[in-house]
Amino acid sequence: DTAVSQTPKYLVTQMGNDKSIKCEQNLGHDTMYWYKQDSKKFLKIMFSYNNKELIINETVPNRFSPKSPDKAHLNLHINSLELGDSAVYFCASSLGTGVNSYGYTFGSGTRLTVV
Amino acid sequence: GNSVTQMEGPVTLSEEAFLTINCTYTATGYPSLFWYVQYPGEGLQLLLKATKADDKGSNKGFEATYRKETTSFHLEKGSVQVSDSAVYFCALKDSWGKLQFGAGTQVVVTP
Repeated sequence: DTAVSQTPKYLVTQMGNDKSIKCEQNLGHDTMYWYKQDSKKFLKIMFSYNNKELIINETVPNRFSPKSPDKAHLNLHINSLELGDSAVYFCASSLGTGVNSYGYTFGSGTRLTVV
Repeated sequence: GNSVTQMEGPVTLSEEAFLTINCTYTATGYPSLFWYVQYPGEGLQLLLKATKADDKGSNKGFEATYRKETTSFHLEKGSVQVSDSAVYFCALKDSWGKLQFGAGTQVVVTP
C-alpha cells in the first residue's frame, strides 16, 4: 500500500526518558513534516525536510531533534521527555515546496503519553 | 503572519441536515486552501482543495469556494450522514509550502 507509515502507534514512557518516532513514505514525495496535535486537536508544525535538508524549524525545544536519512524517511528523537510533550505526533509528506496545489498526506499518528 | 479561523464546535446536526463550517483566513500573497477531515483515532485526510480565487473544490458531497474578496473558504454539505461525524480542519498553504491549520471544528451527526 502506498502510504505514510509511523511507528510506534502508541508510546507510553516516563519523564526524563529519551524516545524516537519513525516515519516512512513510499509515495515518491520529496518533502516531509512533523506536526504536533494537542489535546484540543490544535495542529502545529514542528519541522519540515525537503530532500534531506531542513527547511522549516519552528519554535520547538531543542530536546526535539529530527533526522532525515533519505527523502523517504523522517524520524523524530525526543530527549528528556516532559509531561507537556504528551500529544499525538503526525508525520506527513508532500511533493515540492512553496505554494502549490499538492496537499499533504498524513500518517495515522503516534500517541505519546509521558507519565 | 498568516492565520486561519474556523467556527467553534461542536456542531451537532441531525442526519440529512445541511452543514456549513465557516473558515476565514489572513495571508500575504495567494495561498492555496484546503479542507481536511479527521475521523476518530485516525490521521488527517485531504477532503478538498482550491488554489486560486473563485475555484470550487468538491469531494464526497462537500464543497467549498475560494472567495478572495471575503478571504473565506466555507465548507458545505447538503445532506449529512452519521458517517460524516468527524473533526474538520481548514488550512492554507503559504509561499513556503507550510500548511497552517485552523483550530478544527467537531461535527456530530445524530440519526
